[in-house]
Amino acid sequence: NAGVMQNPRHLVRRRGQEARLRCSPMKGHSHVYWYRQLPEEGLKFMVYLQKENIIDESGMPKERFSAEFPKEGPSILRIQQVVRGDSAAYFCASSPSGSAKNIQYFGAGTRLSVL
Amino acid sequence: EDKVVQSPLSLVVHEGDTVTLNCSYEVTNFRSLLWYKQEKKAPTFLFMLTSSGIEKKSGRLSSILDKKELFSILNITATQTGDSAIYLCAVEAPGNTPLVFGKGTRLSVIA
Repeated sequence: NAGVMQNPRHLVRRRGQEARLRCSPMKGHSHVYWYRQLPEEGLKFMVYLQKENIIDESGMPKERFSAEFPKEGPSILRIQQVVRGDSAAYFCASSPSGSAKNIQYFGAGTRLSVL
Repeated sequence: EDKVVQSPLSLVVHEGDTVTLNCSYEVTNFRSLLWYKQEKKAPTFLFMLTSSGIEKKSGRLSSILDKKELFSILNITATQTGDSAIYLCAVEAPGNTPLVFGKGTRLSVIA
């Protein structure tokens, strides 16, 4: 059973470009969470999705950031017109339904560098 | 606003030492507290605690929760260099709420 898969592992973008980060949850998991981690900081929640639905996006900036989790395929975190302040590690986690929903399993992250 | 505070922020010990990492929290309608270990990749799940006073144990690691005083500790005995990592504490409230993480404790174990 493969774990949470994120790609790419490293992404370099110039200011103004778009960044697309992908996350495939563990098999059987229907809940996906995106977090951002800055150096020396903890993980900050961004968005929580289930298949085709955004459940909670309270941690996501209102502009330039969007997320989706389509019926087929991975979850995508999209950052438009990136700025240097977007440079961070972005982690995806997934969890199963039911009573074990609160145990989130993390991917290895995508490290975004904005030049 | 829900808050999780971990201490110390960093810690350097020698192999064989025992360490205690602390996590205190303020959260409305607490449901569970989780510990993760983060090396240079994915945070890996260690423990989930929901009840006070019940120790969870896995090898040299153990953890306990005090819901009255709103804190948890993570103990590591006979530390090894492979224990070097950032240890993250997170709490959850009921419903569709996200985990709230502390900043982590960076543990360095030197030979």
